[in-house]
Amino acid sequence: ETGVTQTPRHLVMGMTNKKSLKCEQHLGHNAMYWYKQSAKKPLELMFVYSLEERVENNSVPSRFSPECPNSSHLFLHLHTLQPEDSALYLCASSQDGQNNSPLHFGNGTRLTVT
Amino acid sequence: LAKTTQPISMDSYEGQEVNITCSHNNIATNDYITWYQQFPSQGPRFIIQGYKTKVTNEVASLFIPADRKSSTLSLPRVSLSDTAVYYCLVGPPRVESKIIFGKGTRLHILP
Repeated sequence: ETGVTQTPRHLVMGMTNKKSLKCEQHLGHNAMYWYKQSAKKPLELMFVYSLEERVENNSVPSRFSPECPNSSHLFLHLHTLQPEDSALYLCASSQDGQNNSPLHFGNGTRLTVT
Repeated sequence: LAKTTQPISMDSYEGQEVNITCSHNNIATNDYITWYQQFPSQGPRFIIQGYKTKVTNEVASLFIPADRKSSTLSLPRVSLSDTAVYYCLVGPPRVESKIIFGKGTRLHILP
């Protein structure tokens, strides 16, 4: 149990589908992140939220749309994805502003776009 | 952000002590050094964090020389389950710092 829960664990979707990934953290953190990890590549930072405000959008295509309704929940809405978007999508949280607050990751959603 | 350099891969044997060194020549005054471990199909897991000298927890030790231009993660008496990718990150602990992961070190423990 990492304190950060992601659902679903696996997702297969067609290019015309719309789906959402969900992340929930039970750690009382005030910052949340989406990362993408493709095969054999480093983790890529996608979005960062602090106190429910987006502070970073790392040049991510508009077919990925994040939503942070409160400090405990983070969503990634997906629509008209491409096969190259198949990857492990990881959510993380941290306590922004604290010197000793590392990232806490969930176990990710394995996304396959067909 | 300070750029980090670490070996792409390492092999070791069960029961050995493993040291993974990370170079970060342009580390800034307010940067912390943080190490993560990642198993396949899981999110990275925080191992240890330090600012200077030596830090030890139940999992590992982190050695940081006075100039802070490098750091060494030490894993005592490794087992097969320590086979994973280990990432060294350097940066200030703020969301605006864009926590970026490199390629990490792929550690393979042999029986």
